[in-house]
Amino acid sequence: ILNVEQSPQSLHVQEGDSTNFTCSFPSSNFYALHWYRWETAKSPEALFVMTLNGDEKKKGRISATLNTKEGYSYLYIKGSQPEDSATYLCAFRAGGTSYGKLTFGQGTILTVHP
Amino acid sequence: DSGVTQTPKHLITATGQRVTLRCSPRSGDLSVYWYQQSLDQGLQFLIQYYNGEERAKGNILERFSAQQFPDLHSELNLSSLELGDSALYFCASSMGLADRTYEQYFGPGTRLTVT
Repeated sequence: ILNVEQSPQSLHVQEGDSTNFTCSFPSSNFYALHWYRWETAKSPEALFVMTLNGDEKKKGRISATLNTKEGYSYLYIKGSQPEDSATYLCAFRAGGTSYGKLTFGQGTILTVHP
Repeated sequence: DSGVTQTPKHLITATGQRVTLRCSPRSGDLSVYWYQQSLDQGLQFLIQYYNGEERAKGNILERFSAQQFPDLHSELNLSSLELGDSALYFCASSMGLADRTYEQYFGPGTRLTVT
């Protein structure tokens, strides 16, 4: 059974703060790591797909790093805005015959206060 | 809008009944995935179809079945429904079978309530 863990479970920050959260995943049989943003009453929105150790991806004020050897990824949000409030999910893809199966963490709920 | 469509948006039915959830993938995507989001659990992978064939299976109950049709739309059939089957069911799609860098795009989901 694959274990994907995210921390913290929830986070409250003030507008303008920078923040980060962690996704831990198995360091063996790594294939890819996905990050999603999930706003209430909407569908999960793809942020990044990360595949190589040391990968860094950036989209606007959001960036992510990947360490496959130790099994973790960080998501950073610079200068948080109220519209960043959402649940941030990471999902692990194993190699082999798992094909496209994603194993999701429980998510980090981010609330940005104006 | 991800380009993945799901119908219906909401479904309320009684225990013991059978329902069918429908998904149309993004144009050009050959893989379709089904996920279940229950109250007490995160998103759980159910099954993947690629170009009409089942390719990966998660902890999908025997009462549940799925298929992908020649036009690439997919249906998830849930039978002998129990209260615990109440959940949000998502469909996602991607271009390939197992391509490493391809994202999975999620539909808006179907909220199933079993009473």
